[in-house]
Amino acid sequence: GAGVSQSPSNKVTEKGKDVELRCDPISGHTALYWYRQSLGQGLEFLIYFQGNSAPDKSGLPSDRFSAERTGGSVSTLTIQRTQQEDSAVYLCASSLSGGGETQYFGPGTRLLVL
Amino acid sequence: QKEVEQDPGPLSVPEGAIVSLNCTYSNSAFQYFMWYRQYSRKGPELLMYTYSSGNKEDGRFTAQVDKSSKYISLFIRDSQPSDSATYLCATTGANSKLTFGKGITLSVRP
Repeated sequence: GAGVSQSPSNKVTEKGKDVELRCDPISGHTALYWYRQSLGQGLEFLIYFQGNSAPDKSGLPSDRFSAERTGGSVSTLTIQRTQQEDSAVYLCASSLSGGGETQYFGPGTRLLVL
Repeated sequence: QKEVEQDPGPLSVPEGAIVSLNCTYSNSAFQYFMWYRQYSRKGPELLMYTYSSGNKEDGRFTAQVDKSSKYISLFIRDSQPSDSATYLCATTGANSKLTFGKGITLSVRP
């Protein structure tokens, strides 16, 4: 079946602009995760959704970052007033029901802030 | 100290070599241990998943977990050029979020 999909694949934006990144999880997966991968920091957790609720937002680096999930499916990560340090690959993953279950990753969105 | 430490590499080996990749972790609450493989410009894909201390084998890959020393290993036998990728160890407890090592880039020379 279809895996996790993300759009856009690449995004170039100017400093100060807002961006929206989209994630379509595997159908039927109730748990959804956002991670960020950068050269210096590796792969870091941002936020976790169970259904439409976000019980763990501890990884969001600042209040410029927000995320929502609707209909227990698609999720959007929004970065307001982008900064150059936001440049990274943003990865989405989903799992059947959370806990320690296998997380399946999408291909990521490569964000470059000029 | 980061919760998961992984040698950054890079690592280059000849085809057919045995590869040993290692991570250490500090949080005793971690219960699940994974190895992900990531090819260039792709998302990570799960390679091995273990729950308890001991060994798990899948073809040419063996994952080893030693909870007493908080040590995670991945062994690749008869390495192939197609194994060239970045390998990430990861772990989680009951709270779902994965904590990753920084990853090591492996190159297998034909």
